Amino acid sequence: AQSVTQLDSQVPVFEEAPVELRCNYSSSVSVYLFWYVQYPNQGLQLLLKYLSGSTLVKGINGFEAEFNKSQTSFHLRKPSVHISDTAEYFCAVSLSGGSYIPTFGRGTSLIVHP
Amino acid sequence: NAGVTQTPKFQVLKTGQSMTLQCAQDMNHNSMYWYRQDPGMGLRLIYYSASEGTTDKGEVPNGYNVSRLNKREFSLRLESAAPSQTSVYFCASMSGATSGANVLTFGAGSRLTVL
Repeated sequence: AQSVTQLDSQVPVFEEAPVELRCNYSSSVSVYLFWYVQYPNQGLQLLLKYLSGSTLVKGINGFEAEFNKSQTSFHLRKPSVHISDTAEYFCAVSLSGGSYIPTFGRGTSLIVHP
Repeated sequence: NAGVTQTPKFQVLKTGQSMTLQCAQDMNHNSMYWYRQDPGMGLRLIYYSASEGTTDKGEVPNGYNVSRLNKREFSLRLESAAPSQTSVYFCASMSGATSGANVLTFGAGSRLTVL
């Protein structure tokens, strides 16, 4: 079975600073990786996904993530955050074969201060 | 372009009362899911329906029942609510049930408080 660990429950950062949200996964087979974002009082929406190919994936709102197979990581980055990026971010993993249902991490709350 | 619609958005129940959360999607998706979200716990899968006519337990099914009424609708029922079921509930759908590459589309959530 697969599992996901988001290493930080909360990340405070000042506006226009860079940010990295960390995600590590565990799986014995190939995986697909996702980042979802949840803005206050809303449902989750897809930020970006890695299925195959280039290990650097670009998503919406200037976010990007890099798949590192040797370190089993899929960290999310943004070079300059805005107040509007304040949200909960969830990393998720599903298997490329077998169970198609994604497993979610516990989430990281990104808090952007002015 | 409604996507996934959940009702109600808010509900307060007393211990022992029953209620049903409704979910409908208009994207012709085959699979549907119910998650609960609790602080520090992330999203936990309650039940899912891989296709019309099938339902299966997820990680935390105790105290819940589901019905896949048709391809569009998937309801979650609490027969006898308990304070431990105070949570935010999300319905989601996905186009297929055979590939992990598919993306979940979520509803806006239903906030349930059990007193």
